[in-house]
Amino acid sequence: QKEVEQDPGPLSVPEGAIVSLNCTYSNSAFQYFMWYRQYSRKGPELLMYTYSSGNKEDGRFTAQVDKSSKYISLFIRDSQPSDSATYLCAMSVSSGGSYIPTFGRGTSLIVHP
Amino acid sequence: DAGVTQSPTHLIKTRGQQVTLRCSPKSGHDTVSWYQQALGQGPQFIFQYYEEEERQRGNFPDRFSGHQFPNYSSELNVNALLLGDSALYLCASTSSYEQYFGPGTRLTVT
Repeated sequence: QKEVEQDPGPLSVPEGAIVSLNCTYSNSAFQYFMWYRQYSRKGPELLMYTYSSGNKEDGRFTAQVDKSSKYISLFIRDSQPSDSATYLCAMSVSSGGSYIPTFGRGTSLIVHP
Repeated sequence: DAGVTQSPTHLIKTRGQQVTLRCSPKSGHDTVSWYQQALGQGPQFIFQYYEEEERQRGNFPDRFSGHQFPNYSSELNVNALLLGDSALYLCASTSSYEQYFGPGTRLTVT
């Protein structure tokens, strides 16, 4: 079993839909939870970062962490075609000031007009 | 402010050859991490450099080595290339928990 599980999709939705992306994990030591967006042929870009359980909102994006269930989610409201990308969840522990994230395999999102 | 830069953008090598990839971190960042991303997979951590020393290493063989220079730029070297080394190699400039990725170098081994 991988430490971080993420459905690769693809997930195809119409423009304006609410998108839900999810990851599960097995390592209860993970403290930091992140979502990255990766466009084709580009490096990942940090979207959201959370530390505690609960919700964190940033514009159209909401990150949710449930440590008791070892489950994290990213919600995208009013999705746009420009949101079409691969979304990677990542999580890490703090080790001597170093935070090395463990990534999921990414979910491919397609938002069609 | 320039972000993380990597060179070259892509290259093609033959099995058994050696390759060197280069990375310059964001201004003010002193920690550089390298990742390998196979097609359809998430990035896999190779190693991290801080103050010119390898601080942490992932589960990669000794064929993968690196270096960090006094100006914080870094190199990734891979010896005795295998077909399975074909991937996108990402450099990340690190500030505590945040990783800022470069565009990557696409390596194809034939």
